[in-house]
Amino acid sequence: QKEVEQNSGPLSVPEGAIASLNCTYSDRGSQSFFWYRQYSGKSPELIMFIYSNGDKEDGRFTAQLNKASQYVSLLIRDSQPSDSATYLCAVKRAAGNKLTFGGGTRVLVKP
Amino acid sequence: DTGVSQDPRHKITKRGQNVTFRCDPISEHNRLYWYRQTLGQGPEFLTYFQNEAQLEKSRLLSDRFSAERPKGSFSTLEIQRTEQGDSAMYLCASTGKSYEQYFGPGTRLTVT
Repeated sequence: QKEVEQNSGPLSVPEGAIASLNCTYSDRGSQSFFWYRQYSGKSPELIMFIYSNGDKEDGRFTAQLNKASQYVSLLIRDSQPSDSATYLCAVKRAAGNKLTFGGGTRVLVKP
Repeated sequence: DTGVSQDPRHKITKRGQNVTFRCDPISEHNRLYWYRQTLGQGPEFLTYFQNEAQLEKSRLLSDRFSAERPKGSFSTLEIQRTEQGDSAMYLCASTGKSYEQYFGPGTRLTVT
């Protein structure tokens, strides 16, 4: 079992719809959770982070964390073609410094 | 605010050659990380510095790999006797007092 798992996709979403991405993790010692967006050939760009159970909203993005169930999700509202990218979920243990990444979910927003 | 910078952006080398990459973190960030990413995969942790001290190394970091951060500012990653399996994107990230890591543009290495 991978430490951080994501559906590789592609997740095809019509423009203006909500894209829902999920991520599960196996280490109960995970403390901090991050979502990165990565365009093809580019480096990851941090778009959201969440440290406490519940929802966190930032513009069109909402991150949701449920530590008991060991999953974190990302919602993208009013999806735009420019949101087409791979979204990487990353977790950090309370006792560590490194990030452990999932394989990413590819999102395609169709006009 | 200047972001993380990496040099070179692209490197093509022949198998067996040595290569060195440089990373300049965000100003005043005392923690610096190196990751490696291959096509279709998420980044994998290689090593971590707090100031000039290398505090953690991954099992992925074989004896051919060495990293330094001599004055606690920029860092270098050297790969000796490169192999085709070393072809990847090498990413550097930095952070200060918070947990959020910000990545540089990466160095794409191709070993022929």
